Amino acid sequence: QLHLQESGPGLVKPSETLSLTCTVSGGSISSSGYFWGWVRQPPGKGLEWIGSMYFSGRTYFNPSLKSRVTISVDTSNNQLLLHLRSVTAADTAVYYCVRRTSRYSSNIYAVWFDYWGQGSLVAVSS
Amino acid sequence: QSVLTQPPSASGTPGQKVTVFCSGSSSNIGSNTVNWYQQFPGTAPRLLIYSNDQRPSGVPDRFSGSKSGTSASLAISGLQSEDEADYYCAAWDDSLNGHWVFGGGTKLTVL
Repeated sequence: QLHLQESGPGLVKPSETLSLTCTVSGGSISSSGYFWGWVRQPPGKGLEWIGSMYFSGRTYFNPSLKSRVTISVDTSNNQLLLHLRSVTAADTAVYYCVRRTSRYSSNIYAVWFDYWGQGSLVAVSS
Repeated sequence: QSVLTQPPSASGTPGQKVTVFCSGSSSNIGSNTVNWYQQFPGTAPRLLIYSNDQRPSGVPDRFSGSKSGTSASLAISGLQSEDEADYYCAAWDDSLNGHWVFGGGTKLTVL
């Protein structure tokens, strides 16, 4: 069974960089066909996609966050990394690691997030 | 403001059928499949429906999804108290080089 586990500091100061690691177990982050990414949820609010990456390097980012986000893959440790620069209080959220899977059937190409980590709460405060 | 529009709340009594709607545009729901996620307080979202109307293994057949044009819906029949949760729709959006968009979420209350 695939398992995603987020880890990182629970508190980051304003203007600094938020860094999180997602460790994948029960499967390889280099498996063909899967994108790996991040979704966040501010306290009491809805879900917001941050970005996704294929192990070979292809990336997609939320247009509103693109200028501040770096996502990378460490295949040797089976980990996904997130760096969000110049954070403010608005970046306070639970950050989830997700796997995106896809299927092409009956002329329909479908994509969805099938696995989620338990989430890591990051607060931005001085 | 979320790109996909959902009602903030919905409610029903045990045994009833409740439908949650999700409205989008031609660049997201109109062009791509829709997924639904269920989230209980303090836990991660769980995939409920993928590819408009497909249920992952383990999801009761009381849950069903559909899509028409630029809108989608999630129906829950035979409502149970344990269905009380937040529900989110999501779809890929082809604009701006492509990105994922979510609905703002619907809090379902079982009366």
